[in-house]
Amino acid sequence: AQSVAQPEDQVNVAEGNPLTVKCTYSVSGNPYLFWYVQYPNRGLQFLLKYITGDNLVKGSYGFEAEFNKSQTSFHLKKPSALVSDSALYFCAVRAVSGAGSYQLTFGKGTKLSVIP
Amino acid sequence: EPEVTQTPSHQVTQMGQEVILRCVPISNHLYFYWYRQILGQKVEFLVSFYNNEISEKSEIFDDQFSVERPDGSNFTLKIRSTKLEDSAMYFCASSVQTVYGYTFGSGTRLTVV
Repeated sequence: AQSVAQPEDQVNVAEGNPLTVKCTYSVSGNPYLFWYVQYPNRGLQFLLKYITGDNLVKGSYGFEAEFNKSQTSFHLKKPSALVSDSALYFCAVRAVSGAGSYQLTFGKGTKLSVIP
Repeated sequence: EPEVTQTPSHQVTQMGQEVILRCVPISNHLYFYWYRQILGQKVEFLVSFYNNEISEKSEIFDDQFSVERPDGSNFTLKIRSTKLEDSAMYFCASSVQTVYGYTFGSGTRLTVV
């Protein structure tokens, strides 16, 4: 069965500082990996995905994530945090093929607070 | 930018009643999904739908649940006899192919009383 771990319930960072939100995954075979952001009382907004190719993936709003196969990680990063980045961030994984390949499995989410 | 539209945004129902949650996926998308998020918990997969049939479903998606694409635009989730524990935010999503990111709707908050 596929799974995602987001080890931090909350991450606090000062505005202008770099931020990292951690994610590790477990899946049979190769993964498709995603990051989504959720603002209060809103749906899930797609940030970026890793399908294949370059391990460094760039997405919306200046976010990027690095796929590390040996560490089974897909950490979300941004060089300079904004107060408006404060939200709940979800990492998700999907198997490339086979059982579970139609469904996204989400982590429990990490609340990011950017302090002015 | 194309959106997935969900209605209603909030529904309150009495335990034991049937509810239908409605979704309009993006028009050229072929794969449709329902997820739910119980307050304060992670987002959980319910079901995926392709070519007018269920392609995958989770353990949560028992006989109380059903999905339908009654016409060319709508995608519905029916809960036959609601329970208190069905209270959650239900998200519809669609994708053009499974390899691409999914577009989620803004959700329907279901409250069972």
